Amino acid sequence: AQKVTQAQTEISVVEKEDVTLDCVYETRDTTYYLFWYKQPPSGELVFLIRRNSFDEQNEISGRYSWNFQKSTSSFNFTITASQVVDSAVYFCALSEASGNTDKLIFGTGTRLQVFP
Amino acid sequence: KAGVTQTPRYLIKTRGQQVTLSCSPISGHRSVSWYQQTPGQGLQFLFEYFSETQRNKGNFPGRFSGRQFSNSRSEMNVSTLELGDSALYLCASSLGSGGMNTEAFFGQGTRLTVV
Repeated sequence: AQKVTQAQTEISVVEKEDVTLDCVYETRDTTYYLFWYKQPPSGELVFLIRRNSFDEQNEISGRYSWNFQKSTSSFNFTITASQVVDSAVYFCALSEASGNTDKLIFGTGTRLQVFP
Repeated sequence: KAGVTQTPRYLIKTRGQQVTLSCSPISGHRSVSWYQQTPGQGLQFLFEYFSETQRNKGNFPGRFSGRQFSNSRSEMNVSTLELGDSALYLCASSLGSGGMNTEAFFGQGTRLTVV
């Protein structure tokens, strides 16, 4: 069965703190894709990153970094030096390569609040 | 490059009525997926269309249907509305290559309220 778990429902930090959002996934496929999306109050889901299951290199983009570990089925997201504009709900998602579909399975999301 | 456009942004309907939501994908994208977002159930996949054909469907009753036109624009329809259908309906556009699972780009959604 495919499943994405984001155990942290809500996180509050003060500006400039580092924060890590956890994501654990389950899948039987050997080829799959993992995503992170940000949902600001406007409602639109904003794409942040896509990783395939064969690429376990960590990735850094500005203040954002992602740690993908197949051994623990985790794909965690770290924001360094958080800012108020980072306040949003963050979703981790899984898509399996088999089945010829772009269907996404989402976790329940983590609401991040960054206070000034 | 224009993003994904969903219309209308807000809708209020009465129980028992039907509703049609529209989604225009990014130019060149052939796959359109629909998701329902509610506080209780989170983001749930409704269906996916590619080249005017439904190629995947979520676990929703038959009251939920959709279609895709030759220009890749998509509509979804909900008939005999129930209070529980109140939700944010999000449309996602992707290249649709399947197997490559390219990133999906989302519209701002249609917020449907059923009273």
